[in-house]
Amino acid sequence: EPEVTQTPSHQVTQMGQEVILRCVPISNHLYFYWYRQILGQKVEFLVSFYNNEISEKSEIFDDQFSVERPDGSNFTLKIRSTKLEDSAMYFCASTRGRYNEQFFGPGTRLTVL
Amino acid sequence: TQLLEQSPQFLSIQEGENLTVYCNSSSVFSSLQWYRQEPGEGPVLLVTVVTGGEVKKLKRLTFQFGDARKDSSLHITAAQPGDTGLYLCAGANNNAGNMLTFGGGTRLMVKP
Repeated sequence: EPEVTQTPSHQVTQMGQEVILRCVPISNHLYFYWYRQILGQKVEFLVSFYNNEISEKSEIFDDQFSVERPDGSNFTLKIRSTKLEDSAMYFCASTRGRYNEQFFGPGTRLTVL
Repeated sequence: TQLLEQSPQFLSIQEGENLTVYCNSSSVFSSLQWYRQEPGEGPVLLVTVVTGGEVKKLKRLTFQFGDARKDSSLHITAAQPGDTGLYLCAGANNNAGNMLTFGGGTRLMVKP
């Protein structure tokens, strides 16, 4: 059964460093999302992406964040200058059509020291 | 801002008991999805309900979407230890890029 994959599973970085989180969505899916979950808190929407551009973004997704689909398979989330409060699980999700259910990857645990 | 409130937050029951988890909002959602999440993993989709009043069954799990599409419930019959986990509801808004608004989750423990 096809699934969303994410790498790395765990990333440790120093405050102020740039990180890139990678996702490979399900192959025939067209809509891509990033969510994050701070420990003990709700899963929060960050951004949605379709046709090589951002469809929606939340207030969390400020200028420090960017997304890209550099090739036909990968979908990346970049944080330019990490802060302590960026420590969280980051989940990628994808869906075939705009109104279809979203399938989540296993997540990347980002720890900012 | 749309909000989803889940209750209860924690539930500890004995094997064989029935339980219901509630997901409530003052906002209307285009659809509502239920996920189960294991520690350190991503949410795994259980079911999507789309139509107001819709009821879907998945073995011992029954999901219902409220008539007004503002609330949903998950009922588990004869709970088993394998049902232990975190259950999340998430509402989709078709007018906002289909972004999901998640509830806070219900952590269920079923004791043998």
